[in-house]
Amino acid sequence: DQQVKQNSPSLSVQEGRISILNCDYTNSMFDYFLWYKKYPAEGPTFLISISSIKDKNEDGRFTVFLNKSAKHLSLHIVPSQPGDSAVYFCAATLSGAGSYQLTFGKGTKLSVIP
Amino acid sequence: SAVISQKPSRDICQRGTSLTIQCQVDSQVTMMFWYRQQPGQSLTLIATANQGSEATYESGFVIDKFPISRPNLTFSTLTVSNMSPEDSSIYLCSVEDWEKETQYFGPGTRLLVL
Repeated sequence: DQQVKQNSPSLSVQEGRISILNCDYTNSMFDYFLWYKKYPAEGPTFLISISSIKDKNEDGRFTVFLNKSAKHLSLHIVPSQPGDSAVYFCAATLSGAGSYQLTFGKGTKLSVIP
Repeated sequence: SAVISQKPSRDICQRGTSLTIQCQVDSQVTMMFWYRQQPGQSLTLIATANQGSEATYESGFVIDKFPISRPNLTFSTLTVSNMSPEDSSIYLCSVEDWEKETQYFGPGTRLLVL
């Protein structure tokens, strides 16, 4: 049973526009969430995270929003650039579990069209 | 952030054989993690490896199939034993960064079992 779901396997966005990647989770115990970006033949690269005590976290062009009641988070990329084309993974964890054991979604492949 | 290397980067193996994957980190870390990403699937945690103790395996993964060594604070190996085509995956190691509350990943080992 998938505890972290990314229901859109792919997304295409025009360069300069906003990219919105969505993620849902089922385990209400998760209290820390991360987004990773993965290029082909490379390992995932950490992008941005958010704790459940917040509903928004911003880092440059990347903003993550968390809606705890809906068990939903989203990653916004503004403006989107061709170099953002990659697979984006959402991950969740219990921060008090003693280690950051991550549960990942299946990923969304973002294509930014020049 | 930690720099992580993996060897081999890719391999093609015959069923019934075993492959040992190496993971090297450029700094001392307490916990190392091994993940598997099957085609079209999310990253799934295989086991957590602490230096000086036996690895802790997740449900569905056993030591006989995926023996792990952790001889020191910068190195770990994962062996995929008695391989079958279902073991064809990308295998990734990662390390924890408590200060930044995230994990950093190696580039992965792409394994194809014929």
